[in-house]
Amino acid sequence: GNSVTQMEGPVTLSEEAFLTINCTYTATGYPSLFWYVQYPGEGLQLLLKATKADDKGSNKGFEATYRKETTSFHLEKGSVQVSDSAVYFCAPPPSGGSYIPTFGRGTSLIVHP
Amino acid sequence: NAGVMQNPRHLVRRRGQEARLRCSPMKGHSHVYWYRQLPEEGLKFMVYLQKENIIDESGMPKERFSAEFPKEGPSILRIQQVVRGDSAAYFCASSPGRDGTEAFFGQGTRLTVV
Repeated sequence: GNSVTQMEGPVTLSEEAFLTINCTYTATGYPSLFWYVQYPGEGLQLLLKATKADDKGSNKGFEATYRKETTSFHLEKGSVQVSDSAVYFCAPPPSGGSYIPTFGRGTSLIVHP
Repeated sequence: NAGVMQNPRHLVRRRGQEARLRCSPMKGHSHVYWYRQLPEEGLKFMVYLQKENIIDESGMPKERFSAEFPKEGPSILRIQQVVRGDSAAYFCASSPGRDGTEAFFGQGTRLTVV
């Protein structure tokens, strides 16, 4: 089935630093890919998505490019803020007949002033 | 368009009592998923339901846990005879169920068993 490998955290950065959180996937075909974010005390929310190969998803200064050559969907932000501190989940594409979104442990990001 | 609504946000139960967690999906969504999250851990899938049907309950403990999504009303996750180990955040998500569409999450119910 489809799956992702996401870098483990926590990732600790100073404000305005550059962020990369790696995510590589295995999938049949070219399904949609998603990044979710969970802020403290809240549920997950979609951060960005890419619906086909070579697409770039972007939102709130975050970007991720769906690269089929490297089967990657790395999350990047040029200048992080304290308010970006959260847990980030790269969601594997659904596989099989049932559409069940599944999530790993995510990557915790801590941004210091 | 209201998002996924979960209630209560916080629930405290004594050991041996029953916990009922409710989830109203987004309008137009017929697919509901329940997840459990423990501190410092990811979301663990529990059960996937469509209206009046359990599609996949492979992540749900065989005993004490049950889920339903009736034709009318919210989806319910029921935990009977709760134990301390059931303390966790329980999240509900809904989706239209088509590939390429994301899941929308509620704010979660934080269950504490004392």
